[in-house]
Amino acid sequence: EVQLLESGGGLVQPGGSLRLSCIASGFSFSNFAMTWVRQAPGKGLEWVSVISASGDRAYYADAVKGRFNISRDSSKNTMYLQMDSLRVEDTAIYYCVKEAAAMINWYFDLWGRGTPVTVSS
Amino acid sequence: DIVMTQSPATLSVSPGERATLSCRASQSVSSYVAWYQHKPGQAPRLLIYGASTRATGIPARFSGSGSGTDFTLTISSLQSEDFAVYYCLQYNLWPPATFGPGTKVEIK
Repeated sequence: EVQLLESGGGLVQPGGSLRLSCIASGFSFSNFAMTWVRQAPGKGLEWVSVISASGDRAYYADAVKGRFNISRDSSKNTMYLQMDSLRVEDTAIYYCVKEAAAMINWYFDLWGRGTPVTVSS
Repeated sequence: DIVMTQSPATLSVSPGERATLSCRASQSVSSYVAWYQHKPGQAPRLLIYGASTRATGIPARFSGSGSGTDFTLTISSLQSEDFAVYYCLQYNLWPPATFGPGTKVEIK
Protein backbone atom coordinates (compact mmCIF):
# COMPACT_ATOMS: atom_id res chain seq x y z
CA GLU A 1 0.00 0.00 0.00
CA VAL A 2 1.22 3.48 -0.91
CA GLN A 3 1.37 5.53 2.26
CA LEU A 4 3.19 8.08 4.39
CA LEU A 5 3.36 7.76 8.16
CA GLU A 6 4.45 10.68 10.33
CA SER A 7 5.70 10.51 13.90
CA GLY A 8 7.55 12.62 16.43
CA GLY A 9 4.98 15.26 17.23
CA GLY A 10 4.12 16.26 20.77
CA LEU A 11 4.08 19.00 23.38
CA VAL A 12 7.16 21.19 23.70
CA GLN A 13 7.94 24.46 25.45
CA PRO A 14 8.73 27.62 23.49
CA GLY A 15 12.38 27.59 22.49
CA GLY A 16 12.46 23.80 22.48
CA SER A 17 13.12 21.29 19.71
CA LEU A 18 11.36 18.38 18.04
CA ARG A 19 12.29 16.02 15.23
CA LEU A 20 9.52 14.79 12.99
CA SER A 21 9.89 11.65 10.88
CA CYS A 22 7.98 10.40 7.88
CA ILE A 23 8.28 6.81 6.68
CA ALA A 24 7.26 6.19 3.08
CA SER A 25 6.08 2.88 1.69
CA GLY A 26 4.66 1.49 -1.53
CA PHE A 27 6.62 3.68 -3.95
CA SER A 28 10.20 4.41 -4.96
CA PHE A 29 11.01 7.03 -2.31
CA SER A 30 14.29 8.16 -3.86
CA ASN A 31 12.56 9.19 -7.09
CA PHE A 32 10.35 11.91 -5.64
CA ALA A 33 10.74 15.28 -3.97
CA MET A 34 9.13 15.45 -0.54
CA THR A 35 7.49 18.28 1.36
CA TRP A 36 6.19 19.25 4.80
CA VAL A 37 2.90 21.15 5.03
CA ARG A 38 1.29 22.31 8.27
CA GLN A 39 -2.14 23.37 9.44
CA ALA A 40 -2.50 25.54 12.52
CA PRO A 41 -5.68 25.18 14.58
CA GLY A 42 -8.62 26.67 12.70
CA LYS A 43 -6.40 27.72 9.80
CA GLY A 44 -5.68 26.55 6.27
CA LEU A 45 -2.76 24.67 4.78
CA GLU A 46 0.70 26.24 4.84
CA TRP A 47 3.73 24.94 2.95
CA VAL A 48 6.76 24.59 5.24
CA SER A 49 9.68 23.01 3.39
CA VAL A 50 10.67 20.88 0.41
CA ILE A 51 13.63 18.61 -0.32
CA SER A 52 14.62 17.35 -3.75
CA ALA A 53 14.56 13.68 -4.67
CA SER A 54 18.33 13.43 -4.36
CA GLY A 55 18.40 15.49 -1.18
CA ASP A 56 20.80 18.07 -2.58
CA ARG A 57 18.37 20.98 -2.54
CA ALA A 58 16.00 22.24 0.12
CA TYR A 59 13.83 25.30 0.53
CA TYR A 60 11.95 26.77 3.47
CA ALA A 61 9.05 29.08 4.15
CA ASP A 62 10.19 32.44 5.53
CA ALA A 63 8.38 31.69 8.80
CA VAL A 64 10.68 28.73 9.56
CA LYS A 65 13.90 29.64 7.75
CA GLY A 66 16.92 29.35 10.01
CA ARG A 67 15.02 27.30 12.62
CA PHE A 68 13.88 24.17 10.72
CA ASN A 69 16.00 21.70 8.76
CA ILE A 70 14.63 19.14 6.31
CA SER A 71 16.54 15.99 5.40
CA ARG A 72 15.98 12.52 3.99
CA ASP A 73 17.53 9.06 4.19
CA SER A 74 16.70 7.02 1.13
CA SER A 75 18.16 3.86 2.71
CA LYS A 76 15.38 4.11 5.29
CA ASN A 77 12.68 5.60 3.03
CA THR A 78 12.40 8.33 5.61
CA MET A 79 12.18 12.12 5.61
CA TYR A 80 12.85 14.27 8.65
CA LEU A 81 12.06 17.76 9.89
CA GLN A 82 14.30 19.04 12.67
CA MET A 83 12.50 21.91 14.37
CA ASP A 84 14.51 24.16 16.69
CA SER A 85 13.71 27.40 18.53
CA LEU A 86 10.04 26.50 18.41
CA ARG A 87 7.47 29.23 18.83
CA VAL A 88 3.84 29.19 19.91
CA GLU A 89 2.88 30.00 16.33
CA ASP A 90 4.48 26.74 15.13
CA THR A 91 1.63 24.85 16.80
CA ALA A 92 -0.01 22.84 14.02
CA ILE A 93 -0.61 19.45 12.50
CA TYR A 94 2.41 18.67 10.33
CA TYR A 95 1.77 16.66 7.17
CA CYS A 96 4.32 14.68 5.22
CA VAL A 97 3.60 15.10 1.53
CA LYS A 98 4.92 13.43 -1.62
CA GLU A 99 5.36 15.37 -4.82
CA ALA A 100 4.27 13.87 -8.10
CA ALA A 101 7.76 14.19 -9.61
CA ALA A 102 11.44 14.45 -8.75
CA MET A 103 11.38 18.18 -9.36
CA ILE A 104 10.82 20.34 -6.33
CA ASN A 105 8.09 22.60 -7.68
CA TRP A 106 5.37 20.20 -8.71
CA TYR A 107 2.00 19.32 -7.20
CA PHE A 108 1.45 17.03 -4.23
CA ASP A 109 -0.15 13.65 -4.87
CA LEU A 110 0.03 11.81 -1.55
CA TRP A 111 -0.38 13.03 2.02
CA GLY A 112 0.08 11.44 5.41
CA ARG A 113 -2.46 11.78 8.20
CA GLY A 114 -0.26 14.25 10.05
CA THR A 115 1.40 14.51 13.45
CA PRO A 116 0.38 17.21 15.94
CA VAL A 117 2.90 19.65 17.37
CA THR A 118 1.93 21.87 20.29
CA VAL A 119 4.27 24.61 21.48
CA SER A 120 3.15 25.87 24.86
CA SER A 121 4.50 26.67 28.30
CA ASP B 1 4.74 35.29 -3.52
CA ILE B 2 1.57 34.37 -5.35
CA VAL B 3 -1.57 34.80 -3.26
CA MET B 4 -4.47 32.41 -3.82
CA THR B 5 -7.99 33.40 -2.82
CA GLN B 6 -11.06 31.17 -2.73
CA SER B 7 -14.76 31.92 -2.75
CA PRO B 8 -17.08 31.43 -1.11
CA ALA B 9 -15.62 30.65 2.30
CA THR B 10 -18.59 28.39 3.01
CA LEU B 11 -20.98 26.80 0.53
CA SER B 12 -24.24 25.26 1.75
CA VAL B 13 -25.52 22.67 -0.68
CA SER B 14 -28.15 19.94 -0.60
CA PRO B 15 -27.16 16.39 -1.58
CA GLY B 16 -27.62 15.90 -5.31
CA GLU B 17 -27.11 19.56 -6.11
CA ARG B 18 -24.24 21.09 -8.04
CA ALA B 19 -21.42 22.90 -6.23
CA THR B 20 -19.16 25.46 -7.88
CA LEU B 21 -16.01 26.56 -6.05
CA SER B 22 -13.77 29.38 -7.23
CA CYS B 23 -10.05 30.02 -6.86
CA ARG B 24 -8.17 33.09 -8.02
CA ALA B 25 -4.42 33.72 -8.26
CA SER B 26 -2.82 37.13 -7.72
CA GLN B 27 -0.92 36.66 -11.00
CA SER B 28 -1.01 34.17 -13.82
CA VAL B 29 -0.12 30.61 -12.86
CA SER B 30 -0.91 29.16 -16.31
CA SER B 31 -2.65 25.82 -15.64
CA TYR B 32 -0.53 24.86 -12.65
CA VAL B 33 -3.34 24.52 -10.16
CA ALA B 34 -4.34 21.51 -8.11
CA TRP B 35 -7.40 20.92 -5.94
CA TYR B 36 -7.54 18.95 -2.69
CA GLN B 37 -10.33 17.60 -0.52
CA HIS B 38 -9.74 17.56 3.24
CA LYS B 39 -11.90 15.94 5.88
CA PRO B 40 -11.22 16.29 9.62
CA GLY B 41 -8.73 13.78 10.92
CA GLN B 42 -7.88 12.51 7.46
CA ALA B 43 -5.10 13.08 4.97
CA PRO B 44 -5.93 15.62 2.28
CA ARG B 45 -6.72 13.96 -1.06
CA LEU B 46 -5.64 15.13 -4.52
CA LEU B 47 -8.65 15.65 -6.78
CA ILE B 48 -7.44 17.66 -9.77
CA TYR B 49 -4.05 18.71 -11.15
CA GLY B 50 -3.10 20.75 -14.17
CA ALA B 51 -6.32 22.71 -13.53
CA SER B 52 -8.50 20.08 -15.19
CA THR B 53 -7.02 16.57 -15.00
CA ARG B 54 -8.69 14.25 -12.51
CA ALA B 55 -6.34 12.30 -10.29
CA THR B 56 -6.43 8.52 -10.29
CA GLY B 57 -9.60 7.13 -8.73
CA ILE B 58 -11.44 10.44 -8.53
CA PRO B 59 -15.10 10.19 -9.58
CA ALA B 60 -16.22 11.91 -12.78
CA ARG B 61 -18.56 14.21 -10.82
CA PHE B 62 -15.46 16.25 -9.92
CA SER B 63 -14.22 18.54 -12.69
CA GLY B 64 -11.82 21.44 -12.88
CA SER B 65 -11.44 24.30 -15.31
CA GLY B 66 -9.62 27.57 -15.81
CA SER B 67 -6.24 29.00 -16.67
CA GLY B 68 -4.25 32.12 -15.95
CA THR B 69 -5.73 33.55 -12.76
CA ASP B 70 -9.25 32.11 -12.48
CA PHE B 71 -10.08 28.51 -11.71
CA THR B 72 -13.17 26.51 -10.85
CA LEU B 73 -13.85 23.18 -9.19
CA THR B 74 -17.29 21.78 -9.93
CA ILE B 75 -18.96 18.90 -8.17
CA SER B 76 -21.85 17.97 -10.43
CA SER B 77 -24.06 16.13 -7.93
CA LEU B 78 -22.98 16.27 -4.31
CA GLN B 79 -22.80 12.99 -2.45
CA SER B 80 -22.74 12.71 1.34
CA GLU B 81 -19.03 11.88 1.28
CA ASP B 82 -18.22 15.12 -0.55
CA PHE B 83 -18.90 17.41 2.39
CA ALA B 84 -15.42 18.63 3.30
CA VAL B 85 -13.03 21.55 2.92
CA TYR B 86 -11.54 22.10 -0.52
CA TYR B 87 -8.23 23.84 -1.17
CA CYS B 88 -6.60 25.04 -4.35
CA LEU B 89 -2.83 25.06 -4.75
CA GLN B 90 -0.67 26.88 -7.26
CA TYR B 91 2.57 25.20 -8.29
CA ASN B 92 3.64 27.43 -11.16
CA LEU B 93 6.01 29.65 -9.24
CA TRP B 94 7.41 28.17 -6.08
CA PRO B 95 8.87 27.92 -3.53
CA PRO B 96 6.78 28.87 -1.79
CA ALA B 97 3.90 26.70 -2.91
CA THR B 98 0.75 28.58 -1.94
CA PHE B 99 -2.68 27.33 -1.02
CA GLY B 100 -5.97 29.15 -1.02
CA PRO B 101 -7.70 29.59 2.36
CA GLY B 102 -10.22 26.86 1.57
CA THR B 103 -13.94 26.52 0.88
CA LYS B 104 -16.02 24.51 3.31
CA VAL B 105 -18.83 22.61 1.60
CA GLU B 106 -21.53 21.90 4.14
CA ILE B 107 -24.93 20.24 4.11
CA LYS B 108 -27.79 22.65 3.54
